[in-house]
Amino acid sequence: AQSVAQPEDQVNVAEGNPLTVKCTYSVSGNPYLFWYVQYPNRGLQFLLKYITGDNLVKGSYGFEAEFNKSQTSFHLKKPSALVSDSALYFCAVRDVPLDDKIIFGKGTRLHILP
Amino acid sequence: ETGVTQSPTHLIKTRGQQVTLRCSSQSGHNTVSWYQQALGQGPQFIFQYYREEENGRGNFPPRFSGLQFPNYSSELNVNALELDDSALYLCASSLDLRPGDEQFFGPGTRLTVL
Repeated sequence: AQSVAQPEDQVNVAEGNPLTVKCTYSVSGNPYLFWYVQYPNRGLQFLLKYITGDNLVKGSYGFEAEFNKSQTSFHLKKPSALVSDSALYFCAVRDVPLDDKIIFGKGTRLHILP
Repeated sequence: ETGVTQSPTHLIKTRGQQVTLRCSSQSGHNTVSWYQQALGQGPQFIFQYYREEENGRGNFPPRFSGLQFPNYSSELNVNALELDDSALYLCASSLDLRPGDEQFFGPGTRLTVL
C-alpha cells in the first residue's frame, strides 16, 4: 500500500527567506504526487502536482516542488517566503494504476516570521 | 472560491445517533470523495462516488455510507455514532476519474460526538 511521510510537524522561516517543506513517499506503481494547503476553517486548496515529465513542477502562489525518484521525495519549495504563506501543508500520493485512493500525509505547519 | 459547498458547518450529536452531511460539488464534476480529518491529522479517505456509484472505499466500517445524486450533490451518512467519529468531514469533487485530476475541497463540516 502507498504511504506518505511529512517528517516535520512545524517549519519556521523568516519572511523573505527560502522555504522547504519535506515529503517522502512509498508506492508500488507510479506515484502521482500532490501538494495542498489548508488555511484556518477552510478546506484544502490545490497547489501543484507531479504526474510525469519535468521533475520540477511549478504551482500556485510561487510554490514549486521537485520530484526525486531515487530519494522518493517531493519537497515543496518557495524562493522567498511571505507571512501569508503561513498555513498547514499536506503532501498526498496516488499509487497508479494499483490503487484509486489518495493518501495524505499528516501535514506540516508552516510559520513565516515577520 | 472552489465552488464546493458543505452543510452544516458545525454539528453536535450524541453517541449512538445518526447523522447526514451534505455536499454540493462543482457543476460538471462527476466524482466526489469524502474524507475524515481528525484533529492534527491529514484527511483520511472514506469513499469515492463516480456518476452515482461507489468507486472505491477506505478502511471505514459499513456504518459510513454515502449517496451521490445527478444534480452534483452528495451525502455522507454515519450510523451509530461513536466518540471517535468526532472530526472535520471534507468532501472534494473532481472532474472525472483520471488519477491526475486535482480535487476541489469544500470547507468541511465539524462533527462533535458527545
